[in-house]
Amino acid sequence: EVQLVESGGGLVQPGGSLRLSCAASGFTFSSNWMHWVRQAPGKGLVWVSRINPDGSSTDYADSVKGRFSISRDNAKNTLYLQMDSLRAEDTAVYHCARIGGDPVGWGQGTLVTVSS
Amino acid sequence: QTVVTQEPSLTVSPGGTVTLTCASSTGAVTSGYYPNWLQQKPGQAPRALIHSTSNKHSWTPGRFSGSLLGGKAALTLSGVQPEDEAEYYCLLYYGGGYVFGTGTKVTVL
Repeated sequence: EVQLVESGGGLVQPGGSLRLSCAASGFTFSSNWMHWVRQAPGKGLVWVSRINPDGSSTDYADSVKGRFSISRDNAKNTLYLQMDSLRAEDTAVYHCARIGGDPVGWGQGTLVTVSS
Repeated sequence: QTVVTQEPSLTVSPGGTVTLTCASSTGAVTSGYYPNWLQQKPGQAPRALIHSTSNKHSWTPGRFSGSLLGGKAALTLSGVQPEDEAEYYCLLYYGGGYVFGTGTKVTVL
């Protein structure tokens, strides 16, 4: 069973930085694309970023391109999201996820609040 | 900016059938967009239901089915149960990125 546990969220001032982590288990992490998805309070799901199995290829939503960076450590079965130049509109619950065909799963998410 | 549009809300009676659709601002949705469907209940993480247009996961109830319909991706719920009341999102692949649909709130009444 896919298990994904996010951490690292919290309150940060506009312009600040935060690094999210996602610990993965229950599947072969190093063989799978991984994603970050966010959801602002009371709003819909928004795809943020993805990374290929060996970390050599990444993609980003236009809204975060140049500010966010996705990475992974396959030895630690951990996915990361480095978030810089944070804005109020980045406030959301951030989920890591395996999307598409099996194995598939979502973490419960970690809340990021950008406010002064 | 690509927009993926879903019906904001739909109401269905228990035991009834309802079809949700997912339209792309770029044109007809095809299998090449690898449509996914997810269910989200209040306070919970999303749960995957369908991938690659019509493929179910092992936990997906048989009453859920995915298809392409009139240039859109579609999710049909047949024999709706009270526990199917939830928000449903489609997800489309655009070659290097993904876009979620706007979401459909399904009410079972």
